[in-house]
Amino acid sequence: EAEVAQSPRYKITEKSQAVAFWCDPISGHATLYWYRQILGQGPELLVQFQDESVVDDSQLPKDRFSAERLKGVDSTLKIQPAELGDSAMYLCASSRLASSNEQFFGPGTRLTVL
Amino acid sequence: GQQLNQSPQSMFIQEGEDVSMNCTSSSIFNTWLWYKQDPGEGPVLLIALYKAGELTSNGRLTAQFGITRKDSFLNISASIPSDVGIYFCAGQEGAQKLVFGQGTRLTINP
Repeated sequence: EAEVAQSPRYKITEKSQAVAFWCDPISGHATLYWYRQILGQGPELLVQFQDESVVDDSQLPKDRFSAERLKGVDSTLKIQPAELGDSAMYLCASSRLASSNEQFFGPGTRLTVL
Repeated sequence: GQQLNQSPQSMFIQEGEDVSMNCTSSSIFNTWLWYKQDPGEGPVLLIALYKAGELTSNGRLTAQFGITRKDSFLNISASIPSDVGIYFCAGQEGAQKLVFGQGTRLTINP
């Protein structure tokens, strides 16, 4: 069964360092999402891509976060510099179409900032 | 950001019992989704609902799209140990982003 792949699964870093997360969506899925999930809460959307274009990045803290999906397939989310409050689970999801409500999630990257 | 009101926040039940949880919103949604998340993993889609009043089952799970379009319900019958986890509802209006609830943590006593 096709799955969304993410790496690394865990990342520990010190504040002010740069971190990067990678996501490979389900093959053929045009829409890719990055979510942040704080412990004890539901996921919140950071950025949505349709192919290689950003559709929604209204909740992305653009002073320190960036995301790209250069070839419209896999994607990278970067934080520079990391802050203590960035500690969370970062989830990637994909859907076949932007109009499809059924999003499939990867296993996530657990980030701890010390 | 905006989130749905999901209740209860946690449940402690005996194996074999039925489970009910719900999700309410101040906004009207045209899609309701229910996910389950195990510790350290991403959410897994359980059931998707697209029409007010719709009742959909997936094995022992049954979910309903409320007729007001502002709520949804999830029931689990005859709970088993692997049902343990956090259950999230998510709502969507049109092409807007998914909005998630805070989750219901289910614990099962053997």
